[in-house]
Amino acid sequence: ETGVTQTPRHLVMGMTNKKSLKCEQHLGHNAMYWYKQSAKKPLELMFVYSLEERVENNSVPSRFSPECPNSSHLFLHLHTLQPEDSALYLCASSQGIRTSGRPPGELFFGEGSRLTVL
Amino acid sequence: RKEVEQDPGPFNVPEGATVAFNCTYSNSASQSFFWYRQDCRKEPKLLMSVYSSGNEDGRFTAQLNRASQYISLLIRDSKLSDSATYLCVVNTLGRGNTPLVFGKGTRLSVIA
Repeated sequence: ETGVTQTPRHLVMGMTNKKSLKCEQHLGHNAMYWYKQSAKKPLELMFVYSLEERVENNSVPSRFSPECPNSSHLFLHLHTLQPEDSALYLCASSQGIRTSGRPPGELFFGEGSRLTVL
Repeated sequence: RKEVEQDPGPFNVPEGATVAFNCTYSNSASQSFFWYRQDCRKEPKLLMSVYSSGNEDGRFTAQLNRASQYISLLIRDSKLSDSATYLCVVNTLGRGNTPLVFGKGTRLSVIA
């Protein structure tokens, strides 16, 4: 059983819709991440939150908007997406981030939210 | 040159075979290395860390060659349950807050 849960597992939306992906970690970690996984591409880091502060925004279009209300929850708000945004969106958490002087520990991933944009 | 490159795959091997995956990384400042496993339609999970002296976990052996900047994963006596995609992950401190870089992955299919 994963310590990182994501909802919804599947989402189909039109280009004009607004939806949100939710992630919750039960591991007491201090960093949370959003990754995008498209077919035949490596995992692409989108956002990193460390202690609820966004520490990385990896040149992601503004139609993706993250929110981290506390150290256990992470959201990805989606607005006016494009068909090429269809992918698996993975949330992850870890203990340890650069500001602590230590590299991030093992990443624990959620099962992902598979998004299809029509 | 990509930061982390892996064998393209897929590797189709019979049960009981030994299979090896290689991975190269471009940043000589990279500090730690991992292999993650991702089953079909599932999330990646840590398989093993890779230590400088090489390390073994059951049928799995990981090696690091810093001079040549490559990492390998050897799987002996392959099982059907080993079928998955194996992701090479490199950690480079000094690369901001996102030091972990993932390779594209190499797909393994173990056939009965």
